[in-house]
Amino acid sequence: TQLLEQSPQFLSIQEGENLTVYCNSSSVFSSLQWYRQEPGEGPVLLVTVVTGGEVKKLKRLTFQFGDARKDSSLHITAAQPGDTGLYLCAGEGWTDKLIFGTGTRLQVFP
Amino acid sequence: DTGVSQNPRHKITKRGQNVTFRCDPISEHNRLYWYRQTLGQGPEFLTYFQNEAQLEKSRLLSDRFSAERPKGSFSTLEIQRTEQGDSAMYLCASSATSGRPYEQYFGPGTRLTVT
Repeated sequence: TQLLEQSPQFLSIQEGENLTVYCNSSSVFSSLQWYRQEPGEGPVLLVTVVTGGEVKKLKRLTFQFGDARKDSSLHITAAQPGDTGLYLCAGEGWTDKLIFGTGTRLQVFP
Repeated sequence: DTGVSQNPRHKITKRGQNVTFRCDPISEHNRLYWYRQTLGQGPEFLTYFQNEAQLEKSRLLSDRFSAERPKGSFSTLEIQRTEQGDSAMYLCASSATSGRPYEQYFGPGTRLTVT
């Protein structure tokens, strides 16, 4: 069974701070996607990483895929209140379905 | 290009009743997925279609759940004899298979409450 664990589960920080969210598994994934979800809405795709060691940047967000394609991280620089939300990593499993992590709930206070 | 749409957005039903949800995928996407999300958890895979063919169903999907995609466009998810444990957000996603990776785009979800 392919599982993804995210840490931390909750993160509460002040505007301007940096943070990192981790997504770990013992399984290899063909790709890994990061989503952000607002309350009462569906997840919104932020980025997809495919190659081991790949780094992608989206403004203040930096995503990295582990060399062995088993883990990933999301780093946010100078967090803003608009970054508040539930961050989900999701690995593309053997049969193309997504295996989601447990999620990291981020709250950024002004 | 409109995104994935789901109807209704909210459904309140009494235990034992049947409910049906609809998902309209992004028009050029041939794959359609259903997920379920309970409070505080990540979405959990239920089933998916490629065109009109249902390719996989989760072992977690009881016989009370059935999904169809008769013409390879929209899909419906029906839950028969609802139970309180069925209360959750039901999410639909779609993707193209024209090239790897198959990025999935989600709809806004249908929130089901079983009383």
